Amino acid sequence: EVQLVESGGGLVKPGGSLRLSCAASGFTSSSYSMDWVRQAPGKGLEWVSSISSSSSYIYYAESVKGRFTISRDNAKNSLYLQMNSLRAEDTAVYYCARKITIFGWYFDYWGQGTLVTVSS
Amino acid sequence: QSALTQPPSASGSPGQSVTISCTGTSSDVGDYNYVSWYQQHPGKAPKLMIYEVSKRPSGVPDRFSGSKSGNTASLTISGLQAEDEADYYCNSYTGNNLVVFGGGTKLTVL
Repeated sequence: EVQLVESGGGLVKPGGSLRLSCAASGFTSSSYSMDWVRQAPGKGLEWVSSISSSSSYIYYAESVKGRFTISRDNAKNSLYLQMNSLRAEDTAVYYCARKITIFGWYFDYWGQGTLVTVSS
Repeated sequence: QSALTQPPSASGSPGQSVTISCTGTSSDVGDYNYVSWYQQHPGKAPKLMIYEVSKRPSGVPDRFSGSKSGNTASLTISGLQAEDEADYYCNSYTGNNLVVFGGGTKLTVL
């Protein structure tokens, strides 16, 4: 059974940093692109970042470029999101999601999410 | 990258059909058959309901169907049930590896 489990969320002050993790199981994570998608309270889904299976290709939304860094450790079946210079508008539930990019383009599995709150 | 346009709300009575639209441009929805739809219940993670415009993952009821015409994709739910009440989001490939979602549609089952 495919499972994605996020961790690392919490309360952080503006300007602070946080590192999110996503533990994957039930599949060979090194074969898939993985993404982070966030959802501010009461708002819609917002894509944050993507990383290809071998980490060769990385993409960011303009809203986080230069502040967030996505990475992965395929040996540990883990995905990460290093978030620096956090702002109040980064407050959201952060989901990791497995993305199908071969013969398709969609997110077939999502984690349960981890809440990041940026507040003084 | 502009978000895809969805109506903020939709509604229908049990047993009826409802259609939710997702309008993009000739650079995303109109150019690729890579539109997907996600269902999200309050406090839960999104769930894939439709991919590649009209394909259903295993386990998704055939009451859910998808289609596309020009720059607009649509999700139709027939035989509405109470458990279909949720938020629905569309997504499309954009050709440049950036990801764009629709703003979401809150479906109410009356």
